[in-house]
Amino acid sequence: EAQVTQNPRYLITVTGKKLTVTCSQNMNHEYMSWYRQDPGLGLRQIYYSMNVEVTDKGDVPEGYKVSRKEKRNFPLILESPSPNQTSLYFCASIPREGVSPYFGPGTRLTVL
Amino acid sequence: QKEVEQNSGPLSVPEGAIASLNCTYSDRGSQSFFWYRQYSGKSPELIMFIYSNGDKEDGRFTAQLNKASQYVSLLIRDSQPSDSATYLCTRGTGNQFYFGTGTSLTVIP
Repeated sequence: EAQVTQNPRYLITVTGKKLTVTCSQNMNHEYMSWYRQDPGLGLRQIYYSMNVEVTDKGDVPEGYKVSRKEKRNFPLILESPSPNQTSLYFCASIPREGVSPYFGPGTRLTVL
Repeated sequence: QKEVEQNSGPLSVPEGAIASLNCTYSDRGSQSFFWYRQYSGKSPELIMFIYSNGDKEDGRFTAQLNKASQYVSLLIRDSQPSDSATYLCTRGTGNQFYFGTGTSLTVIP
């Protein structure tokens, strides 16, 4: 089954404790992306990757890091989480230019 | 230039009626347009995509695009309670996608 998976699905943590949210896709897509979704602000792109070892900032990259060492995986790293990073996070992959993203199930992160 | 504007609603329609959701965008270079349905706490689910001016129909859904007016709409015919969700209007340029904040739709049985 073609899918994008994210782990964990839910996470409550404290300020400053480093965390990683994993994202994996089994569709051999080159393009992957991370979004955060907040009430009244919609989905905003954090980082994206056009291929292995190629990443770039989206609209709200501050406080986040990513890596793309393999085509299927695109983890999101929060080195020192803060409460304003409490949000719903979605990973997405895109089969080719102009085609809609496939979204993962989401990760609800709460930073206390 | 990235904005996608939607009326946040809530929009309420009776079961069986037509729901009309509207969206405007500011970037004339936009190439592709999508409508997603999102249930609370769930991931967005693609409903329709449209690339060319005019109407595109798929079952109970019709997407309409007018590039000259920078306007996209989604019509849902014979609305069902299961259609109650937030609908996201999205525009794409290459591999970049920009999302509206969504319109909340409630279908009243």
